[in-house]
Amino acid sequence: SYVLTQPPSVSVAPGRTATITCGGNNIGNKGVHWYQQKPGQAPVLVINSDSDRPSGIPERFSGANSGNTATLTISRVEGGDEADYYCQVWDFGSDVVFGGGTKLTVL
Amino acid sequence: EVQLVETGGGLIQPGGSLRLSCAVSGFSINYNYMSWVRQAPGKGLQWLSVIYSGGSTYYEDSVRGRFTISRDDSKNTVFLQMNSLRAEDTAVYYCASHYCTSGSCYFDNWGQGTLVSVSS
Repeated sequence: SYVLTQPPSVSVAPGRTATITCGGNNIGNKGVHWYQQKPGQAPVLVINSDSDRPSGIPERFSGANSGNTATLTISRVEGGDEADYYCQVWDFGSDVVFGGGTKLTVL
Repeated sequence: EVQLVETGGGLIQPGGSLRLSCAVSGFSINYNYMSWVRQAPGKGLQWLSVIYSGGSTYYEDSVRGRFTISRDDSKNTVFLQMNSLRAEDTAVYYCASHYCTSGSCYFDNWGQGTLVSVSS
């Protein structure tokens, strides 16, 4: 089955840029989606289809996908961005696959 | 306004059964893919099962044969029947709808989740 690998944690100072990676075999050939989850809440879609931002998601959130790595970038990080972030793909062999999640800490 | 509301969680003994419901408003489930996703305490998201608009169903390996997804279009409700429950099934269970484009699907709507605790 397809495996997505994320770093367990990323730390960033307010106002700086956070980069969260999602690794997978030839992931550049798949559509990658990203979710933000705050404690006690359901996940929220922040990026779909590699780089599209759903309505209501700040422009500070962006995504890219190429080769074996997809990336979620959060510019001008704010305290409210502190959350767990998950990448996800749809694989027709395994259906839905989530990465293990990355805890973003705002210093 | 789209809403997904899960019910049916609770405390259950190992080996027991539970049926979760997800009542949907704002769109018709029979035109959508619907999934169940769970999250064990302190752990990540784990997809469990999907029911396609055509009625086909698929399961993650750890629940195949124990869990059954179904839907009642007249009630616009999706169900997850869970049998032979184990301690490791303890989690918050989310219902979510899919949006599919360009050969890939993502979750565009989520419920608030319902907690299932399996313990003696």
